[in-house]
Amino acid sequence: KQEVTQIPAALSVPEGENLVLNCSFTDSAIYNLQWFRQDPGKGLTSLLLIQSSQREQTSGRLNASLDKSSGRSTLYIAASQPGDSATYLCAVHNTDKLIFGTGTRLQVFP
Amino acid sequence: GAGVSQTPSNKVTEKGKYVELRCDPISGHTALYWYRQSLGQGPEFLIYFQGTGAADDSGLPNDRFFAVRPEGSVSTLKIQRTERGDSAVYLCASSPPGSSTDTQYFGPGTRLTVL
Repeated sequence: KQEVTQIPAALSVPEGENLVLNCSFTDSAIYNLQWFRQDPGKGLTSLLLIQSSQREQTSGRLNASLDKSSGRSTLYIAASQPGDSATYLCAVHNTDKLIFGTGTRLQVFP
Repeated sequence: GAGVSQTPSNKVTEKGKYVELRCDPISGHTALYWYRQSLGQGPEFLIYFQGTGAADDSGLPNDRFFAVRPEGSVSTLKIQRTERGDSAVYLCASSPPGSSTDTQYFGPGTRLTVL
């Protein structure tokens, strides 16, 4: 059974720091991996999708890497801003469904 | 264009009552998914529709939960004899035709509270 773990569970940093959020999964037979952002009381916004054949994806200040063989992904956030404060969820696409981690709650303070 | 919409945004009900939650996917999206998110947890898969049929309902917790998508667009999640443990945010997502592994686009969710 696929299990997805995210560490740390919570992170509080000053503005301007570079951050790394970690995601690990137990079954490497995945189609892709997605990183989402969730603001309080809101739905999920897709940030990056990495296909299983890819190693990384970049969008603006965000960079996500995937090492399928070791069951790991990282989300790198450069030059963090208070507007980045949210919960970040990683999810692996396993057949027809997404299996989510429990998220990392990020707070960036001015 | 318009994103995935869900109604109601909030629903408060009493234990034992019946509730219906509605999802309007992005126009043209053939795949539709329901997830449930309990407080402090990531979303958990409930059911997946491809067109009108449920392609995978393995995540439905028990027979009190049922979902339909009669015309291949709007979907309704139905919960009978609600229990306090059903309280959660119910999220709907859709994805375009061509691949079931494409990006899923999520709605804002329905927060269900069972008193």
